[in-house]
Amino acid sequence: GAVVSQHPSRVICKSGTSVKIECRSLDFQATTMFWYRQFPKQSLMLMATSNEGSKATYEQGVEKDKFLINHASLTLSTLTVTSAHPEDSSFYICSVRGRGGQETQYFGPGTRLLVL
Amino acid sequence: GQSLEQPSEVTAVEGAIVQINCTYQTSGFYGLSWYQQHDGGAPTFLSYNALDGLEETGRFSSFLSRSDSYGYLLLQELQMKDSASYFCAVHGNDKLIFGTGTRLQVFP
Repeated sequence: GAVVSQHPSRVICKSGTSVKIECRSLDFQATTMFWYRQFPKQSLMLMATSNEGSKATYEQGVEKDKFLINHASLTLSTLTVTSAHPEDSSFYICSVRGRGGQETQYFGPGTRLLVL
Repeated sequence: GQSLEQPSEVTAVEGAIVQINCTYQTSGFYGLSWYQQHDGGAPTFLSYNALDGLEETGRFSSFLSRSDSYGYLLLQELQMKDSASYFCAVHGNDKLIFGTGTRLQVFP
């Protein structure tokens, strides 16, 4: 399977600041990466699909100007939470679609964001 | 709209068998996956069903009925380490949509 890393694993920031989260596919080139958000004791909610070399596709209700996604290379996608507020505090998880097809998707370890 | 419903919580004792159900209503369907997530961790893949029937992987089995829009995860010989959240997820229209999640607590 694919190895996916995220950085940072945990971040605390002040309200109004921006935070960048990196997702890396370590062992193969990923044209598609996904970003999820998970609030405590809730399910994973897909935020957007990150496509290498093109604009991300956002899910309904997700503000594209607030959650900036950049997928500039085949191994790196970044999610920037702009002007973060306490309600943005959550667990952000990326995933990579593997070579095997529809059923293979590998998740990063997640980034826990706390906005004070 | 899209929805994947699961029981919110299930409890069982070590050595028992537990079944976690998932009913779904989605636009586009290619298959159903199951993931395990321990507190603070990322989801880990357990199984995938594209066709009707039962798939067995060790102590875990997963079932799918496409005509009923229904699937389940069967966990046998439960161990304490199986205490976690379990999510079904539908593969459809180029993305993975997760169910509401079931928290399994295994007691000694």
